[in-house]
Amino acid sequence: ELKVEQNPLFLSMQEGKNYTIYCNYSTTSDRLYWYRQDPGKSLESLFVLLSNGAVKQEGRLMASLDTKARLSTLHITAAVHDLSATYFCAAPTGNTPLVFGKGTRLSVIA
Amino acid sequence: EPEVTQTPSHQVTQMGQEVILRCVPISNHLYFYWYRQILGQKVEFLVSFYNNEISEKSEIFDDQFSVERPDGSNFTLKIRSTKLEDSAMYFCASSVGFSSYNEQFFGPGTRLTVL
Repeated sequence: ELKVEQNPLFLSMQEGKNYTIYCNYSTTSDRLYWYRQDPGKSLESLFVLLSNGAVKQEGRLMASLDTKARLSTLHITAAVHDLSATYFCAAPTGNTPLVFGKGTRLSVIA
Repeated sequence: EPEVTQTPSHQVTQMGQEVILRCVPISNHLYFYWYRQILGQKVEFLVSFYNNEISEKSEIFDDQFSVERPDGSNFTLKIRSTKLEDSAMYFCASSVGFSSYNEQFFGPGTRLTVL
């Protein structure tokens, strides 16, 4: 059974600082998804990582995937308040379309 | 840009009542899903649906749940006799192909409150 672990679960960052959110998964999966969720809202797709070594960047966010280590990272550069949200990683398995991590609640403070 | 839509946005019901949550997937998508998220917790898979039948379901999706595609556009989740613990946000999603290889697009969700 695929398990997806995120850490940290809570992150309070100062504006302008950098930080990384980690996503480990327990069994083989060749792709990984990152979503953003604002309070009371739906899941907004951020990144789709399709292969080992994939790296994608959008603004201040950069995601990478290492399928051998079963690890994906979401790096935040020079955080701004607008990035405050909960970030989920999710991986598909053969039997379950997506298994989500518990989410990382990010709060960016001045 | 095409998007998944869901109605209602918020449903309040009494325990023991039946509810039907509705979704309109993206028009050329063939795979449909329901997920739920209890407040403050992670998103959990309920069921996937393809070619008018359930293709996968989780342990959560017990006999009180059912899904249907009653026409060419709607995809519904029915909860027969709601319990307090069914209170959650329910998300519908769709993908053009099989989920492991195709991105799923999520609707805005229906917040279900069971009193």
